[in-house]
Amino acid sequence: DVKVTQSSRYLVKRTGEKVFLECVQDMDHENMFWYRQDPGLGLRLIYFSYDVKMKEKGDIPEGYSVSREKKERFSLILESASTNQTSMYLCASGTEGAPPDTQYFGPGTRLTVL
Amino acid sequence: DQQVKQNSPSLSVQEGRISILNCDYTNSMFDYFLWYKKYPAEGPTFLISISSIKDKNEDGRFTVFLNKSAKHLSLHIVPSQPGDSAVYFCAARGNNNDMRFGAGTRLTVKP
Repeated sequence: DVKVTQSSRYLVKRTGEKVFLECVQDMDHENMFWYRQDPGLGLRLIYFSYDVKMKEKGDIPEGYSVSREKKERFSLILESASTNQTSMYLCASGTEGAPPDTQYFGPGTRLTVL
Repeated sequence: DQQVKQNSPSLSVQEGRISILNCDYTNSMFDYFLWYKKYPAEGPTFLISISSIKDKNEDGRFTVFLNKSAKHLSLHIVPSQPGDSAVYFCAARGNNNDMRFGAGTRLTVKP
């Protein structure tokens, strides 16, 4: 069974703090993705990565950065958290070249920025 | 600008009846379309997909229809069951293997 885990289910941070959201997958997938989910907007792609040390901007990369030092781990970084980054963050992984129906999601991290 | 749109935020149907969830897209380069189901406090899980070269795909109670000329797809659930109550997301795969999602439709199936 594919497993995508996220370091925290719930996180509360203060404005201006640096925030790290960690995602780990155990299926040797090349592709990893970070989305945020907001009511009325669905899932929006923040960043994705095709390989170690590679990253691509999604639709809403502003205010975020990512790090992929190891194949199994993809980190989302909020350099200086702001209240408008309060959201549900979802990580996903998938296999390069495979149909997209093999993209698997983690359970999500609900981040609140006060 | 959202490339994938689900204009109905919610849908309520009676158990045993058909549920029809709709999705529109703007990018004609999308080559694959998917439906995901999401329960509270869980990540989305894949439900059914369709390639852009097909117009229908069926899997048990779930059928997805694709109308490329109208840039429209729909998910039919027949018969609907209370366990189907969830948020359904439509998604489309773009040029770089990345996916775009709609805003979701919350389906409630009443016993």
